[in-house]
This record gives sequence, C-alpha cells and structure tokens, in this order.
Amino acid sequence: DVKVTQSSRYLVKRTGEKVFLECVQDMDHENMFWYRQDPGLGLRLIYFSYDVKMKEKGDIPEGYSVSREKKERFSLILESASTNQTSMYLCASSILQGATAYYYTEAFFGQGTRLTVV
Amino acid sequence: SQKIEQNSEALNIQEGKTATLTCNYTNYSPAYLQWYRQDPGRGPVFLLLIRENEKEKRKERLKVTFDTTLKQSLFHITASQPADSATYLCALITGGFKTIFGAGTRLFVKA
Repeated sequence: DVKVTQSSRYLVKRTGEKVFLECVQDMDHENMFWYRQDPGLGLRLIYFSYDVKMKEKGDIPEGYSVSREKKERFSLILESASTNQTSMYLCASSILQGATAYYYTEAFFGQGTRLTVV
Repeated sequence: SQKIEQNSEALNIQEGKTATLTCNYTNYSPAYLQWYRQDPGRGPVFLLLIRENEKEKRKERLKVTFDTTLKQSLFHITASQPADSATYLCALITGGFKTIFGAGTRLFVKA
C-alpha cells in the first residue's frame, strides 16, 4: 500500500521559531510536493521537487524553504514562523511520467500537519 | 484572471440519489483534470483522472465528464450512500508541472 507519512499531525509553535515539517514516501516516487490548505482557498502549492536536490517554487513560496537530500524525504522549513502561516500543510508524491519532469499522474497525500503559530 | 470554481455551498442529498458536483474553470487549458475525495482532518485521496480528449470516465459508482468547450467538469456519484459524505476537490493539470486545486464542495448524504 502506498504511503506518504508526515512527521506530525498537530504542531504548535511560537512566532519567530524555525519550524521543520518532514515528509517521507515509500513508493520510490520522483515528484514530491508541499501544499497548504486554508478554508475557501483550496490547496496552494508552496514548493515541489522532481528529483533529489532539485526544487521549484510553487505559487506561495515566500517564508518557506525546502530540502530534498534523499529521494524518499522532502522537508518544508518555515524560516521564522508567523501567525499567517497557521494552516494545514499537506505533503504529496507522484510518479514521474512523460517526456519531461513536468507530467505526472495522481498525487498521493499524507495525512496533513495542522500547524498553529502563536 | 485564472480561476477554478467549485460550489462553496454544501450539497445535501438523500441516500440512493445521484450527487452531481460541478467544477468550472477560466483561462486555463488543462491537459488533465482530476477529482479527489477529502475527509475531515485527512489528506485528499485520488479518485479519477480524465484527459482533455476524453468526454467521460467511469469507475464503479463514479462518473466524470470533461467539457473543454464549456470549461467544465461534472462529477457524479450514483446510488449515493452516507459513506460518500466528504469534500470533493477537482484539480487541473496544465501543460506544466502545476496542479491547480479547487476549494472543494462538501457533500452530505442523508440516510
């Protein structure tokens, strides 16, 4: 069974803290993604990676960075947490398919991390 | 501007009826369209993918249509059950890497 595991279900952090969200997938997928989900806004892409040490900015990368040192692990870093980063964070992975790195099939999501910044 | 819209109001239907959810988009030319199910406090789960050259796709009680002229997808659940109650997200995949998600429609199926 396909599995994407996020390190925490719930996190509470203080403003200004550096926050690490970890995601591990066991499917040998090339692509990995970080989204945040807020009511009424849908899922918004923060960063994605199509290979080890490769990363691309999504729609809302400001205030975030990512790290992919190993194929199975993709980390999201909040450099200095702020209250407007309180959200549900979702990691996903997918298979590389097609002529370029940009075509893929369905995404498999983790269970989500609900982050509260106080 | 580019937009993907799903009905923000919850859909309430009676068990056994067909639920129909709508996804409209503007200023996109998606190569694929996907539907996901999301239960409260969980990540989305993939249901169906339909390509731009396909009009309709079926999987068990689910049916998806894709009309690139109307820029609309319809998602149907036939013989709905209370267990189908969830939020359903549509997602567009454009020519690049991006998957654009709608905000989702909440479905409640009453027994």
